[in-house]
Amino acid sequence: AQKITQTQPGMFVQEKEAVTLDCTYDTSDQSYGLFWYKQPSSGEMIFLIYQGSYDEQNATEGRYSLNFQKARKSANLVISASQLGDSAMYFCAMRIYNQGGKLIFGQGTELSVKP
Amino acid sequence: GAGVSQSPSNKVTEKGKDVELRCDPISGHTALYWYRQRLGQGLEFLIYFQGNSAPDKSGLPSDRFSAERTGESVSTLTIQRTQQEDSAVYLCASSLGTGVRKETQYFGPGTRLLVL
Repeated sequence: AQKITQTQPGMFVQEKEAVTLDCTYDTSDQSYGLFWYKQPSSGEMIFLIYQGSYDEQNATEGRYSLNFQKARKSANLVISASQLGDSAMYFCAMRIYNQGGKLIFGQGTELSVKP
Repeated sequence: GAGVSQSPSNKVTEKGKDVELRCDPISGHTALYWYRQRLGQGLEFLIYFQGNSAPDKSGLPSDRFSAERTGESVSTLTIQRTQQEDSAVYLCASSLGTGVRKETQYFGPGTRLLVL
């Protein structure tokens, strides 16, 4: 079965520190993409970063980077230099390319940044 | 408009009533998706449209749920004979299409449905 697992319901990080949010996935397909979204308390879903299964380099977008370990089926999000505005829910999601565009989401991790 | 819009933003209804939720995707986006998010949970896929057709309806939880899209634009999600377990936030997203692997889905603000 295709599944995303986020094992950290809640995380705390000190402002300006780095934090890693865990994501593991399960699929037998070889061609897929992994996405991270941020959901602040306002409820909007904000796209952060994407990693394709055939991408050799780890994705980076500003302060966000994705630690992709294909053999372990993990796609952890690393946020560097945390800011108070980073406090939100973070969702990992997967798209299987031969199954259209639907995203399969994990349960999310709530990140709280302490001043 | 600039982003995906959804209406109403909030809907309170009585058990057994029908509700219609509307989604206006970003202009030019051919793919449109509906998801449901229960309180404290991740998003569950419901259905997606490519143009006006729905190649994947696998996430619709029961035959009380249906959706349509017209003119490759607006989509309506209808829930008939609502039940309390239908209470959730219903999120719509759109993307340019499904042909590009990095295709990003842009989400609307959601409709918060409460069934009493």
